[in-house]
Amino acid sequence: DIQMTQSPASLSASLGETVTIQCRASEDIYSGLAWYQQKPGKSPQLLIYGASSLQDGVPSRFSGSGSGTQYSLKISSMQTEDEGVYFCQQGLKYPWTFGGGTKLELK
Amino acid sequence: EVQLVESGGGLVQPGRSLKLSCAASGFTFSNYYMAWVRQAPKKGLEWVATISTSGSRTYYPDSVKGRFTISRDNAKSSLYLQMNSLKSEDTATYYCARHWKQLVFDYWGQGVMVTVSS
Repeated sequence: DIQMTQSPASLSASLGETVTIQCRASEDIYSGLAWYQQKPGKSPQLLIYGASSLQDGVPSRFSGSGSGTQYSLKISSMQTEDEGVYFCQQGLKYPWTFGGGTKLELK
Repeated sequence: EVQLVESGGGLVQPGRSLKLSCAASGFTFSNYYMAWVRQAPKKGLEWVATISTSGSRTYYPDSVKGRFTISRDNAKSSLYLQMNSLKSEDTATYYCARHWKQLVFDYWGQGVMVTVSS
């Protein structure tokens, strides 16, 4: 199985600050990487797919990059509504696996 | 608007069975793979099952293989998860999700809670 490791496990950011979350795969996943945001008490929502493609309706301050085994999610200007937990997920092959999550809070 | 609405959760004793349902609307259900993803309390996400458009192919992780069965009724735009031999570690919120191109889970339901306890 492909293991997905996220870092950091948690972080806090001020309004307007740039935030970066990392995700590492245990083997090359050829950009088959997605990012999800989960707000408290809500279901996850897809933000990014194919490592860097923005899902419809997602604000442009979110962006994804990376290749091979290393990927990142960037929020260019932290907003109040960006608080939540972020998960990465590999879609290259079965069994599909998620990272452990990164909790983002407003400082 | 894509909508996925789960039902059928609740409290069940270890070793017993439970069947979850998911009603889909807002898209052509028969054209998409569908999946179940779960989240134990205060934990991360775990993919549980995926089914092909026709239902002829199903996929499971080792943690549920042989105990859970995913199925669908395209005429009713409905997805199901039959869970047998339930264990305490199956306690989680179960989400129905659209599994787009078997790559990503692009739409999610609101989730249904399953508690396995005596």
